[in-house]
Amino acid sequence: AQSVTQLGSHVSVSEGALVLLRCNYSSSVPPYLFWYVQYPNQGLQLLLKYTSAATLVKGINGFEAEFKKSETSFHLTKPSAHMSDAAEYFCAVSDRGTGGFKTIFGAGTRLFVKA
Amino acid sequence: DADVTQTPRNRITKTGKRIMLECSQTKGHDRMYWYRQDPGLGLRLIYYSFDVKDINKGEISDGYSVSRQAQAKFSLSLESAIPNQTALYFCATSMGVAETQYFGPGTRLLVL
Repeated sequence: AQSVTQLGSHVSVSEGALVLLRCNYSSSVPPYLFWYVQYPNQGLQLLLKYTSAATLVKGINGFEAEFKKSETSFHLTKPSAHMSDAAEYFCAVSDRGTGGFKTIFGAGTRLFVKA
Repeated sequence: DADVTQTPRNRITKTGKRIMLECSQTKGHDRMYWYRQDPGLGLRLIYYSFDVKDINKGEISDGYSVSRQAQAKFSLSLESAIPNQTALYFCATSMGVAETQYFGPGTRLLVL
C-alpha cells in the first residue's frame, strides 16, 4: 500500500538560508510524486510534480525536488529562503493500486522563515 | 474568477443538523474530490467522482454523502453533524487520476 511520510511537522530557517523539506514514500509501482503549497487561508496549489521523466524536477518560486528511487525519497529544496515562502507544504504520491489510481497526501510541514 | 469555488467559506452549525457544502468548477475537469484537513493529519479523502455517474468512497466516508449534480458541481453533505466533523474541507478537481489537482479555497466548518 502506498504511504507518504514527511519528516518534521515544523521547519524553521533564516531568510536566505537553504530550505530542505523531507518526503519519503512507499509504493509498489513507479509513482507520480507531487509537492503542493498552502498559503494561509487558501487551498493547496501545485509546486512541482515528478512523472517519471527527469529525476530532478524544477517548480515554481525557485523550488526543486529530486526523485531518488533507491532512497524512496522526494525531498524539496530551495537554495535561499524568502519571507514569502512561509507556508505549509504537502508531499503527495499517486500510483495505481487495487481499485485504480489513488493519491495520498502527507501530513504536511509548516515552514517558518525568520528575518 | 476562481476556477474552483466553494460555498460557504465558513459555517457554524449545531450537533445533529444537516449541512451541505457546495463546490463548482469552471476547469472542465471530469474528476472531482472532497477532502478534509485536520492539523497534523494532512488531507484525507472523503469521496471522489470520476464523472456524473461514477461516485466512490474515500478513506473516511462515514457520516458523509455526496451528490454530483453536473460535471461542474459536486456537493458534500453531513447528514447529522457531530463535533468531530469540525475541520477544513476542500474540493478539488483534476483532468486525470494521476494529474495535478486544483483546489478550492476551502470551507471552515465548526460543529458545536
